[in-house]
Amino acid sequence: DVKVTQSSRYLVKRTGEKVFLECVQDMDHENMFWYRQDPGLGLRLIYFSYDVKMKEKGDIPEGYSVSREKKERFSLILESASTNQTSMYLCASSFYRLAYEQYFGPGTRLTVT
Amino acid sequence: AQKVTQAQTEISVVEKEDVTLDCVYETRDTTYYLFWYKQPPSGELVFLIRRNSFDEQNEISGRYSWNFQKSTSSFNFTITASQVVDSAVYFCALSEADNYGQNFVFGPGTRLSVLP
Repeated sequence: DVKVTQSSRYLVKRTGEKVFLECVQDMDHENMFWYRQDPGLGLRLIYFSYDVKMKEKGDIPEGYSVSREKKERFSLILESASTNQTSMYLCASSFYRLAYEQYFGPGTRLTVT
Repeated sequence: AQKVTQAQTEISVVEKEDVTLDCVYETRDTTYYLFWYKQPPSGELVFLIRRNSFDEQNEISGRYSWNFQKSTSSFNFTITASQVVDSAVYFCALSEADNYGQNFVFGPGTRLSVLP
């Protein structure tokens, strides 16, 4: 079975802090994704990566950056956390073609106070 | 641009009732893929099914069935004899072939509540 793990299920940070969300997949998938999920807004793509050290902006990249130094790991970075970044963050991975389904991690519920 | 619509925001049914979740999509591509995901209260999205645009055959998996109709651009999901464990948010998604990243589009989701 595909397994996507995220470093934390719940995280509380203060405004202005630098926040790292880590995601690891064990299926040798080329693609990895970061989404945020908010009530009434569905899933919105923040960034994705189709290869090591490659990244592409999604729909809402402002305030975020990403890092992919190894194929299995994709990190989301909030350079200076703000209260409007309080959300559920979901990581996903898939084979290189988008014809393939994405597999999701359990999510990280981030609260910025 | 591609788009996925799930007009039903919330549905409530009583256990053992059948329920159909609607999904309507828009795309200009002739080759595309459709997906359904389940998100239970625990939060993790679970992949349920993938269909490609060339295969309109309906699919059944246990109590789940999917009806794909290109003529109406719909990919509806039916749960037969619903159970409380089916309570979740269900997402329909669309991917155009041979695209990378941004062209995997999710619908807004339908929250299904199955009451005992």
